[in-house]
Formats: sequence, structure tokens, C-alpha cells
Amino acid sequence: EAEVAQSPRYKITEKSQAVAFWCDPISGHATLYWYRQILGQGPELLVQFQDESVVDDSQLPKDRFSAERLKGVDSTLKIQPAELGDSAMYLCASRGDRSSNYEQYFGPGTRLTVT
Amino acid sequence: GENVEQHPSTLSVQEGDSAVIKCTYSDSASNYFPWYKQELGKRPQLIIDIRSNVGEKKDQRIAVTLNKTAKHFSLHITETQPEDSAVYFCAASISSGDKLTFGTGTRLAVRP
Repeated sequence: EAEVAQSPRYKITEKSQAVAFWCDPISGHATLYWYRQILGQGPELLVQFQDESVVDDSQLPKDRFSAERLKGVDSTLKIQPAELGDSAMYLCASRGDRSSNYEQYFGPGTRLTVT
Repeated sequence: GENVEQHPSTLSVQEGDSAVIKCTYSDSASNYFPWYKQELGKRPQLIIDIRSNVGEKKDQRIAVTLNKTAKHFSLHITETQPEDSAVYFCAASISSGDKLTFGTGTRLAVRP
């Protein structure tokens, strides 16, 4: 069964450093989401892509976060500079089409710890 | 924007008993309501979903009910088993392709 891939699975970085996460969605999924999940809370959307275009980045802290999906396939989320409050799980999800009931499939996440 | 509240935050039941988790949403335009199960250290996985044109949906031991007038929906798990222990999240969106707004999660513990 196809799955969303993410790397790295774990990342420890010092504050003020740059960090990047990678996501490879399920093949053929045009919609890709990045969510942030703080411990003990539900995931919150950071950015949504349709192919290579940003559909919603209203909750993305654009002064330090950036996201791209240049060829409309895999995607990178970057934080520069990282702050202590950025410690969280970063989840990528991709969405199927009508044939898969539009379900959002989540990747395993990248757990970021900022020290 | 949409706001989803979820209760209770923790729930402990005896194996074989039923568990009920409730969510309310604020945006009357929302019409897609999925439930996700997240085991410790693993990715959220969809377990059941419901759309606004349906009041109830069942899949084996899991059922979801929706009351659009009151803007609340609930997850019902019957005959609970230890492997049901996990964190459960409800979510809402305006369409099944739209971004999901998640509740804060319910940690379910099933005691053997």
C-alpha cells in the first residue's frame, strides 16, 4: 500500500539554526498539506498545495517558515531561524481523488526539538 | 474560521464497554467530518468519516453520528478492546477536499 514518506523522522537543532523537512506524497495526489502538531493538541494546517501552487498559507509564520513544491510532487518545509516554540511534530498529508473518497493520508511526521 | 471542540480529553473504559467521544463545530458550512486514530509515535489514520447528508454511519464496532442542527458529531466504539487504546481526533472541513480543522484529541485507555 502506498504511503506518504517524510524525512528526517527526528531532528534536534539549536535555536536560530535553519532546518528543513521533506515530504513525498502518494503518487498521483495533487493536494499536499503540511500540519504542525504540538504535543497534546490536534494538527494545525500550515500550508496547502494544489499541484505546485499554494492554496492556503494563512497560518504559516512567513517571517521564518517557507514551503515549496516546485514540480508539484515532493515538498520541502523550511524554518529559519528556528525558535524554541517551534518544537513539535510536523506532519505531511496528501489527498486522493474521488476514487479514494478524498481521504487525507498522513506521513509518519518529523519530530522537531529546538534547544 | 472553523473551531472544533472535543470532549473528553481523556477516557478510560473497561474492555468490552462502550466509549463515546463528542465534538462540536462552529462553521455551519462544514459538511465533512472525519475521525482519526493516532497511536503513540505513529501517523494519524482515518477510521471513519461522515458527510452532512448522512445522520449516522457504522463500520463494525465503530459508528459516527451527526446532528447538523446542533453542530455536533460523536464517535461511538462498542465492545472496546485493548488495541483501541490511542488518541482519537475529530475534524471538520467545508468540503472533503478542504483543509481539516482538528479537535484537541481524546486519549482513550481500554483496561484489560
